Amino acid sequence: QLLESGGGLVQPGGSLRLSCEASGFAFSDYAMSWVRQIPGKGLEWVSVISDNSDKTYYADFATGRFSISRDNSKNTLYLQMNTLRAEDMAIYYCATNFRYFDQWGQGTLVTVSS
Amino acid sequence: QSALTQPASVSGSPGQSITISCTGTSSDVGGYNHVSWYQQHPGKAPKLMIYGVSDRPSGVSDRFSGSKSGNTASLTISGLQTEDEGDYFCSSFTSGSTVVFGGGTKLTVL
Repeated sequence: QLLESGGGLVQPGGSLRLSCEASGFAFSDYAMSWVRQIPGKGLEWVSVISDNSDKTYYADFATGRFSISRDNSKNTLYLQMNTLRAEDMAIYYCATNFRYFDQWGQGTLVTVSS
Repeated sequence: QSALTQPASVSGSPGQSITISCTGTSSDVGGYNHVSWYQQHPGKAPKLMIYGVSDRPSGVSDRFSGSKSGNTASLTISGLQTEDEGDYFCSSFTSGSTVVFGGGTKLTVL
């Protein structure tokens, strides 16, 4: 099971840190990803981190503004989002793996508005 | 990285078969056997239906099948059921070590 938290209302230019707590599986064995979705629209991959944190990759829109990290001792994945824009407003899901996403959380809504 | 191209909508009657296409380029769909398909019902998280072009996760009905030819992947649902109605998204690994999704297809079961 994956449980996201940390979403909410933030002003343009602000920051937010999302968390994703994993349970019921060997978290440290899996690469983990963030995927976002504007309500009513399509899915958009954000970032991935390898199982031991040695590799990270980002979508172009996230490069330089977002940072993915994980704490395997706490079975938790993070996404630090800085310099948020109106177009970052979306539901953010965490998911297991990278080339395909077999487990998803329920999502956390990020609203960017003044 | 441009989104993969899917039809906006498809429809079918119960018992029929439908196919949803997903067109990319040689840098994504055509270059890797890492195409996956997701089903999403309103207000719910996506659910993995197909991975690795044609593999089904445990628990997914064998009515769902995937294939690929060149730069186009396809999801076929046979024996349509009302519970199959929803949105379907394809995705592919890319040459840039990223993942790209399709725009999504709304399936209506008439």
